[in-house]
Amino acid sequence: GNSVTQMEGPVTLSEEAFLTINCTYTATGYPSLFWYVQYPGEGLQLLLKATKADDKGSNKGFEATYRKETTSFHLEKGSVQVSDSAVYFCALDTEQAGTALIFGKGTTLSVSS
Amino acid sequence: GAVVSQHPSWVICKSGTSVKIECRSLDFQATTMFWYRQFPKQSLMLMATSNEGSKATYEQGVEKDKFLINHASLTLSTLTVTSAHPEDSSFYICSARRHSQETQYFGPGTRLLVL
Repeated sequence: GNSVTQMEGPVTLSEEAFLTINCTYTATGYPSLFWYVQYPGEGLQLLLKATKADDKGSNKGFEATYRKETTSFHLEKGSVQVSDSAVYFCALDTEQAGTALIFGKGTTLSVSS
Repeated sequence: GAVVSQHPSWVICKSGTSVKIECRSLDFQATTMFWYRQFPKQSLMLMATSNEGSKATYEQGVEKDKFLINHASLTLSTLTVTSAHPEDSSFYICSARRHSQETQYFGPGTRLLVL
């Protein structure tokens, strides 16, 4: 079946450090891949997405590349800020009619100044 | 564009009462809406898939008589937690999509606390 596996957190970094959050997936066909961010007490916000192999999604300094050969979609940011502290969810969408997103378990990022 | 709202954002109720949560797509028509539940520090768990004009499809283990879902129009779906108990306290999040080839857009969530 379809699934998403994220690295377990929490991830604790100092401001301006480099961030990587690993995400791998299992899916039939050609899913779209997403990263969502959830700030404390809030709902989910779409951070970035990629819809086909080798696509790179980017937003707010975050990047992730859809790697079909390694079935991965790792999230990276070159220099994190305290305001990036949140929970990050990797998700896939098979885009079949009526199907929901499949989420990873989430990775908590804590950035200190 | 593609804004999804939820109402209320916060609700506190007594055990045994019913609570209705609304999910609206504000600037698009959503053929499909999804309801998720999130426990503290955990991922989202899909509860049900709702298509306009038809009965919702519930995930295994989700009681359909407990969590009533109505998708009466292309812009509104409601989740009613009937006879709520403290264990129903959670963060409920809806999402909506225009059609199967599009991204899902999430509402801001509704935090339910049952006393």
